[in-house]
Amino acid sequence: AQTVTQSQPEMSVQEAETVTLSCTYDTSENNYYLFWYKQPPSRQMILVIRQEAYKQQNATENRFSVNFQKAAKSFSLKISDSQLGDTAMYFCAFLGSSNTGKLIFGQGTTLQVKP
Amino acid sequence: DARVTQTPRHKVTEMGQEVTMRCQPILGHNTVFWYRQTMMQGLELLAYFRNRAPLDDSGMPKDRFSAEMPDATLATLKIQPSEPRDSAVYFCASGRSSTGSNEQFFGPGTRLTVL
Repeated sequence: AQTVTQSQPEMSVQEAETVTLSCTYDTSENNYYLFWYKQPPSRQMILVIRQEAYKQQNATENRFSVNFQKAAKSFSLKISDSQLGDTAMYFCAFLGSSNTGKLIFGQGTTLQVKP
Repeated sequence: DARVTQTPRHKVTEMGQEVTMRCQPILGHNTVFWYRQTMMQGLELLAYFRNRAPLDDSGMPKDRFSAEMPDATLATLKIQPSEPRDSAVYFCASGRSSTGSNEQFFGPGTRLTVL
């Protein structure tokens, strides 16, 4: 069974600095998708970034980028130039190609951006 | 701006009462997912549908929970009878299984409190 592990329950960063959130996963599949979702205090789940396992290039979305290490089964999220609005809980999620839609979530990391 | 809508946003009820949560997926999406979020268990998939057919409801307590899609624009999740341990935030998400992105769009959630 696939599992997703986020080992950092809480993190904090100063505004304008860079922070990296860790995520590891376990799977025997070769083709899959990985996601980072953001959940601000409003509770809305917002997709931040997506990575297809068959792509070697790391995904980037403005200030958000990932470091995808397929062999190590690691998928970390880097937030550059942190902003107060980045304060939220961040979830790493796995989607196997054979699961036809079933997202497996990590436990989440609460990120606090300090002014 | 297409969004998944959920009603009600908040529900407080007493143990033993029936609870019905509704979800309107984004028009054109053919997959619908129900997730439950609690502090202890995190985000768990309860059930999911493709083209209105239930594909996986293994995460759902069968004795009290039921999920249906009466039509393509409505998904329901019922709890009967409700128990205090059902208190959680219930999210609905929708997506298109035919696209390569596999992105799931989440609704705002229903916060359920069972007294």
